[in-house]
Amino acid sequence: QKEVEQDPGPLSVPEGAIVSLNCTYSNSAFQYFMWYRQYSRKGPELLMYTYSSGNKEDGRFTAQVDKSSKYISLFIRDSQPSDSATYLCAMSESGYALNFGKGTSLLVTP
Amino acid sequence: DSGVTQTPKHLITATGQRVTLRCSPRSGDLSVYWYQQSLDQGLQFLIQYYNGEERAKGNILERFSAQQFPDLHSELNLSSLELGDSALYFCASSVAGSEETQYFGPGTRLLVL
Repeated sequence: QKEVEQDPGPLSVPEGAIVSLNCTYSNSAFQYFMWYRQYSRKGPELLMYTYSSGNKEDGRFTAQVDKSSKYISLFIRDSQPSDSATYLCAMSESGYALNFGKGTSLLVTP
Repeated sequence: DSGVTQTPKHLITATGQRVTLRCSPRSGDLSVYWYQQSLDQGLQFLIQYYNGEERAKGNILERFSAQQFPDLHSELNLSSLELGDSALYFCASSVAGSEETQYFGPGTRLLVL
């Protein structure tokens, strides 16, 4: 079993929908939680970073961490076609070596 | 554009060969990380250097090695290449004290034939 599990999708939603992306993990020592966006043939781009539990909001994006359930989420409000990409969750004990999920492919249709 | 640069963008080589991938971190970043991305394994951490010294090691094969030079650029050397080494190789960098916020380069796509 991988330490970080993420549904690969694909997830297809209409423009304007609220998108919910999730990851589960098994290592209770993880303290740093990140979400990256990766467009085709590009490098991952850091979207959100959260330390320990709680919520964090940045524009249309909200990241949630529930350490008791070992579950993290990323919500995208008012989704746009430009949000179509692969979303990768990542987490770390120390902040050094990131452990990534395999990514969820999102398609936002006009 | 993250500010991290990687060369070359694409590399095609044969089994048994050796290649060198190069990374220049963002200005001011002391840490460099190497990751491998394949379809079946996803993104996997290979190794981290901080200011020229190896800091952390992940799932890096013995056939692979890396180093960080005084000007902070880094090279990843892959030798005795196998078909299964075909993947995207990413370099990332971070500022000291913020290792959890890593900025990724565009990657080098390696194809071993």
